[in-house]
Amino acid sequence: DVKVTQSSRYLVKRTGEKVFLECVQDMDHENMFWYRQDPGLGLRLIYFSYDVKMKEKGDIPEGYSVSREKKERFSLILESASTNQTSMYLCASSWDSQGTQYFGPGTRLTVL
Amino acid sequence: GQNIDQPTEMTATEGAIVQINCTYQTSGFNGLFWYQQHAGEAPTFLSYNVLDGLEEKGRFSSFLSRSKGYSYLLLKELQMKDSASYLCAVRNRDDKIIFGKGTRLHILP
Repeated sequence: DVKVTQSSRYLVKRTGEKVFLECVQDMDHENMFWYRQDPGLGLRLIYFSYDVKMKEKGDIPEGYSVSREKKERFSLILESASTNQTSMYLCASSWDSQGTQYFGPGTRLTVL
Repeated sequence: GQNIDQPTEMTATEGAIVQINCTYQTSGFNGLFWYQQHAGEAPTFLSYNVLDGLEEKGRFSSFLSRSKGYSYLLLKELQMKDSASYLCAVRNRDDKIIFGKGTRLHILP
């Protein structure tokens, strides 16, 4: 079974803080993705990576950056958290960029 | 533009059948996914259609018509545990995967 884990299920941060969300997958997948999910807006792609040290912007990259130093780990960074970044963040991985995605349990981030 | 439409909410009765529709307008088409997401949990894969027709997998079936830009997910013998959101996602010609906003399905006893 594919396992995708995220560092926290719930996180509360203050405006202006730097926030790190970690994601680890154990199936040697090439591709990893970060989404945010908001009511009425569905899943929106922030960034994805198809290889170590490679990254591509998704639909809403503003205010975020990512890091992929190792194949199994993909980090999402909020350089200076803002209240409009309060959301559910979902990490996913897949064998290739076109295939079935396996999702982590999500991190519900609240920025006060 | 890329657009995927699904009903926002649906209600059905335990033991019944429900059909969740998805229509899409995307830049090309390379496949369509259905995911299930229980409240507070991650989406999990249900089905993948590339060719026209019906794919059956136990109580769940997924149908695709590429010429109509249309798919549906059919759930039979509904159980209370089927209460969840169902996400339609399309892979476009650039192999980018675009998600719909999801359909929240309520099952009544």
